[in-house]
Amino acid sequence: AQTVTQSQPEMSVQEAETVTLSCTYDTSESDYYLFWYKQPPSRQMILVIRQEAYKQQNATENRFSVNFQKAAKSFSLKISDSQLGDAAMYFCAYRNTGTASKLTFGTGTRLQVTL
Amino acid sequence: SAVISQKPSRDICQRGTSLTIQCQVDSQVTMMFWYRQQPGQSLTLIATANQGSEATYESGFVIDKFPISRPNLTFSTLTVSNMSPEDSSIYLCSVRCGYTFGSGTRLTVV
Repeated sequence: AQTVTQSQPEMSVQEAETVTLSCTYDTSESDYYLFWYKQPPSRQMILVIRQEAYKQQNATENRFSVNFQKAAKSFSLKISDSQLGDAAMYFCAYRNTGTASKLTFGTGTRLQVTL
Repeated sequence: SAVISQKPSRDICQRGTSLTIQCQVDSQVTMMFWYRQQPGQSLTLIATANQGSEATYESGFVIDKFPISRPNLTFSTLTVSNMSPEDSSIYLCSVRCGYTFGSGTRLTVV
């Protein structure tokens, strides 16, 4: 079974600075999807960024980018120019490519943004 | 990406009662997923709901406790039955289209 590990329960970053959240996963599959979700106090799960394993190029969405290291099974999220609105729980998730495949989530990292 | 309307957003229920959570999607989707997020925890899949067939439950979840309906390709309900305080959680539905989630239902059982 696939597992997702987030080893940082909490992180803190100053406004306008850059922070990197770590995620590692375990799988025997060669093709799969990886995700970062943001969950603010409103509890809404918001998709931040998605990466297909067959793509070597790291995904980027505005201030959010990933460092995908397939051989190391590592998938970190970099947030640049951090804003107060970035404060939230961030969950890393994995999904196989099968049509019925579920999302497997890590335990989450709580990000605080300070002035 | 699909847009999901989930309700209720929150509820406080007496133990022993049941609550039905609804999710409406703005487009037709083959599968809908129901997750539970216990306080301070990550998300765990309860079941996968296909239209026209019985839901597929994950280990540790049973149909008698979490019956699911999927009457058409845009709608699903999850019922939390015979509730106890241990059922206090956030419940979320999700679809693969855009990998989007509903806004969640915060359930408190007293």
